[in-house]
Amino acid sequence: QVQLVVSGGGSVKPGGSLRLTCVASGFSFGDSYMSWIRQAPGKGPEWVAYIDFSSSNIIYTDSVEGRFTVSRDNAKNSLFLQMASLRAEDTAVYYCAKGLGTVTWGQGTLVTVSS
Amino acid sequence: EIVMTQSPATLSVSPGERATLSCRASQSVQSNIAWYRQQLGQPPTLLIFHASTRATGIPARFSGSGSGTEFTLTVSSLQPEDFAVYYCQQFEDWPYTFGQGTKLEI
Repeated sequence: QVQLVVSGGGSVKPGGSLRLTCVASGFSFGDSYMSWIRQAPGKGPEWVAYIDFSSSNIIYTDSVEGRFTVSRDNAKNSLFLQMASLRAEDTAVYYCAKGLGTVTWGQGTLVTVSS
Repeated sequence: EIVMTQSPATLSVSPGERATLSCRASQSVQSNIAWYRQQLGQPPTLLIFHASTRATGIPARFSGSGSGTEFTLTVSSLQPEDFAVYYCQQFEDWPYTFGQGTKLEI
């Protein structure tokens, strides 16, 4: 059974930074594309980024390009999202998801950017 | 960016009835579309992929159809757990995008 547990969310001021960690179990993490998807309150989801098996292909949506960094540690079954220069519009529940295209979602963590 | 537009925004139905949800893409996505159900306070769950293929463990009351720009999700004989928000999502072109959702309510 796929389990994806995200930690690291919280409140931060505009311009601040935050690092999210997703620990995976129940599947072959090192053989899986992984994605970060976010959902602002009351809105539809938005795909943030994805990373391939070996971290050789990492793609971001335009609104986070240059501010967010995705990485992974296959030895530790872990996926990371380093967020910098945070803005109010980055406020959302952030989900870690297995796959690309169609995905299996884990539980999310709330990130609130507010002064 | 491909824009996904869902209709209606809210659909009022009764348990046991059939619900038909629509999704339109701003350009052709072929059959590269998925449907998800999101219950309150939970992450979305994959229901349908490639427009009409049910995901593992999804009951037969869920069916999808369409190709190109027009898609439909049908839920026959609504169960209590089906009263939730449904999203369509395209994976034809990056960035992969979602619709704004259809809420099924009693």
